[in-house]
Amino acid sequence: DAKTTQPPSMDCAEGRAANLPCNHSTISGNEYVYWYRQIHSQGPQYIIHGLKNNETNEMASLIITEDRKSSTLILPHATLRDTAVYYCIVINQGAQKLVFGQGTRLTINP
Amino acid sequence: DTAVSQTPKYLVTQMGNDKSIKCEQNLGHDTMYWYKQDSKKFLKIMFSYNNKELIINETVPNRFSPKSPDKAHLNLHINSLELGDSAVYFCASSRRAGHTDTQYFGPGTRLTVL
Repeated sequence: DAKTTQPPSMDCAEGRAANLPCNHSTISGNEYVYWYRQIHSQGPQYIIHGLKNNETNEMASLIITEDRKSSTLILPHATLRDTAVYYCIVINQGAQKLVFGQGTRLTINP
Repeated sequence: DTAVSQTPKYLVTQMGNDKSIKCEQNLGHDTMYWYKQDSKKFLKIMFSYNNKELIINETVPNRFSPKSPDKAHLNLHINSLELGDSAVYFCASSRRAGHTDTQYFGPGTRLTVL
């Protein structure tokens, strides 16, 4: 599975859009980009995933570059409850397991 | 009506003891997982069961034995506990095996071995 690179930490003001980058320059054609997050003392929570096209759901938007070598998770109006560690995971189509990296610790400030 | 539940939430025990952690999901999923999150916060998969059959067994010491009595339950039994087993253990489930299905995680069990 392709490795991902994420900044270790980021800050964002409450009410602003939080943009979390992820580099996956060695991604191959059948690998998906997944995002999970882990709020303190809780289990990880699925956010969104995509292959090529940009995706949006009630939680976030996922923007994948045309060459698929990087992506950005966007939380449009961050709240204090969005403070968490965000994991970008690239998974082979046939994979049966998630491999978590170190993620980005996002802190939303009032 | 918690989707994935684990018991106990906290477990403190002495080295050498045997302990079990229970996991139940009420989502009707076929696949269940155990993950370990160590003190450095790395989250690693340990086991995965699909329809009560073991499909993933990462390089975990054989002191760890998962048991799946039915699709809704995946318990983790640990023999001869060691200090290094101290961690948070998360159970998860997905509709079926394969990356395309979202994994739903339980709240975790914090195991402390003294």
